[in-house]
Amino acid sequence: EPEVTQTPSHQVTQMGQEVILRCVPISNHLYFYWYRQILGQKVEFLVSFYNNEISEKSEIFDDQFSVERPDGSNFTLKIRSTKLEDSAMYFCASKSSYEQYFGPGTRLTVT
Amino acid sequence: AQSVTQLGSHVSVSEGALVLLRCNYSSSVPPYLFWYVQYPNQGLQLLLKYTTGATLVKGINGFEAEFKKSETSFHLTKPSAHMSDAAEYFCAVRTDTGFQKLVFGTGTRLLVSP
Repeated sequence: EPEVTQTPSHQVTQMGQEVILRCVPISNHLYFYWYRQILGQKVEFLVSFYNNEISEKSEIFDDQFSVERPDGSNFTLKIRSTKLEDSAMYFCASKSSYEQYFGPGTRLTVT
Repeated sequence: AQSVTQLGSHVSVSEGALVLLRCNYSSSVPPYLFWYVQYPNQGLQLLLKYTTGATLVKGINGFEAEFKKSETSFHLTKPSAHMSDAAEYFCAVRTDTGFQKLVFGTGTRLLVSP
């Protein structure tokens, strides 16, 4: 069964460093999303992406964040200068029709 | 704007007992509703979804949920809990604007005791 994959599973970085989280969505899906979950809290929407551009973003998704689909398979989330409060689990999802399929997540720890 | 409310951050049941996790939604249009399960240190797995049609939907692992428009509810049930059901459960509603992101509830942690 096709699945969404994410790398790395765990990333530790120092405050102020840039990180890139990678996702490979399901191949025939057209809609892509990033969500995050701060430890012990609910899952929050960050951004949606369609036809090579951002279609919607939340207030969390400020200028420090960017997304890109550099080739036909990968979908990346970049945080330019990480803050302590960026520590969270980041989930990628892709969608065909009704339902979104989530990847296993990348746990980002900012020290 | 759509939203969901999950009553009870923790629910404890004994193995073999009925599981009932509550979810109420708010939506100005017919909602698309979802339940996801998250096992410790893992991602989100879709349990079941309601889009249109039959209001009682069955999912994986013996779970089911009933859409009740009059009560704006989409409660998740399972007749007999198993130890392996211990996890975090999230109710979510799909927005009807933009590209239909999911709005999640705060989650309910299900604890199952022997």
